[in-house]
Amino acid sequence: EAQVTQNPRYLITVTGKKLTVTCSQNMNHEYMSWYRQDPGLGLRQIYYSMNVEVTDKGDVPEGYKVSRKEKRNFPLILESPSPNQTSLYFCASSHGQQETQYFGPGTRLLVL
Amino acid sequence: GQQLNQSPQSMFIQEGEDVSMNCTSSSIFNTWLWYKQDPGEGPVLLIALYKAGELTSNGRLTAQFGITRKDSFLNISASIPSDVGIYFCAGRAGNQFYFGTGTSLTVIP
Repeated sequence: EAQVTQNPRYLITVTGKKLTVTCSQNMNHEYMSWYRQDPGLGLRQIYYSMNVEVTDKGDVPEGYKVSRKEKRNFPLILESPSPNQTSLYFCASSHGQQETQYFGPGTRLLVL
Repeated sequence: GQQLNQSPQSMFIQEGEDVSMNCTSSSIFNTWLWYKQDPGEGPVLLIALYKAGELTSNGRLTAQFGITRKDSFLNISASIPSDVGIYFCAGRAGNQFYFGTGTSLTVIP
């Protein structure tokens, strides 16, 4: 089954404790992206990747890092999480930025 | 970042009624997209528009890419209970995507 998976689905952590949210897709997609969704703000793009080893900042990259060592994986790293990073995070992938994006199920993060 | 103004913020309609929502931007987009998000899930693409003036249908859904490339609308005809959800517009500029704030749709049977 073609899908985008994210782990964990729910995470509660404390300020400053490094964490990684994984994202994996099995569709051989080149383009992958991370978004955060906050009430009243819609989805905002954090980082995106056009292909392996190619990553770029989105609209709200501060406080986040990403890597794209393999085509199927695009982890989101929070080196020192802060409470304002409490949010719902979505990973998405597509064959190119022009094509349909498939979204993962979301990761709900609470930073205390 | 670029701002997408989506309206209305929420709608409560009777089953069978038509629905219209729109999105405007301060900037030009190359692509306009419309997504639907059900509770607890990620957005799912409904319609993609690639050219100014383009009018595209997907079943009971119709969307248009505005001539100025700064706006788009989505119409849903003869609404049914499963149309309930949050609808998002999105625009693509270069390799980046920008989303509207969403329209929450409630359909009353």
